[in-house]
Amino acid sequence: AQKITQTQPGMFVQEKEAVTLDCTYDTSDQSYGLFWYKQPSSGEMIFLIYQGSYDEQNATEGRYSLNFQKARKSANLVISASQLGDSAMYFCAMTGTRGGSEKLVFGKGTKLTVNP
Amino acid sequence: NAGVTQTPKFQVLKTGQSMTLQCAQDMNHEYMSWYRQDPGMGLRLIHYSVGAGITDQGEVPNGYNVSRSTTEDFPLRLLSAAPSQTSVYFCASSYREIPPTGELFFGEGSRLTVL
Repeated sequence: AQKITQTQPGMFVQEKEAVTLDCTYDTSDQSYGLFWYKQPSSGEMIFLIYQGSYDEQNATEGRYSLNFQKARKSANLVISASQLGDSAMYFCAMTGTRGGSEKLVFGKGTKLTVNP
Repeated sequence: NAGVTQTPKFQVLKTGQSMTLQCAQDMNHEYMSWYRQDPGMGLRLIHYSVGAGITDQGEVPNGYNVSRSTTEDFPLRLLSAAPSQTSVYFCASSYREIPPTGELFFGEGSRLTVL
């Protein structure tokens, strides 16, 4: 069964610095996808970035990049040049068995606080 | 472009009452899912559907019922509400892609309190 582990319940970073949020996963599937979502205090789920297991290059979306290390089964989110608006909960998720996004498995999340 | 619409956004129920959380999407997505979010637990899958007429159970299905009569709608029914069902509920939808090439779209969430 798929499993996502986020070992950092809370993280603090200074504004304008980079921060890495950890995510490890467990699966026996060869084909799978990895997602990161942001949840601000207002509660909505905001899609940040996606990485497919067969993608050879790490995914990037603006200030967000996903450090994908397949052999280590890790999919860490890197946020460059942190901003105050980045303060939020961050969730790592992966596709369920069969590899579709109809049944994502989520980690418990990391609460990021950006200090001025 | 409405995306994924959930109603109601807030609801208070008494133990034993039943209710339906509505979810509609206008993106012609095949996949639709319901998750619940509890403090410290992340999101957990309740039920999901891969197309009209097809539903299946997720991780925490007990006490909930779903149906998918159209591509657009995926209502979640609480049969007899219990305090343990106090939670924030999210509906989500996406295209049928294995593996996916894009995001799972979420509704804004529905906060349910069972007294």
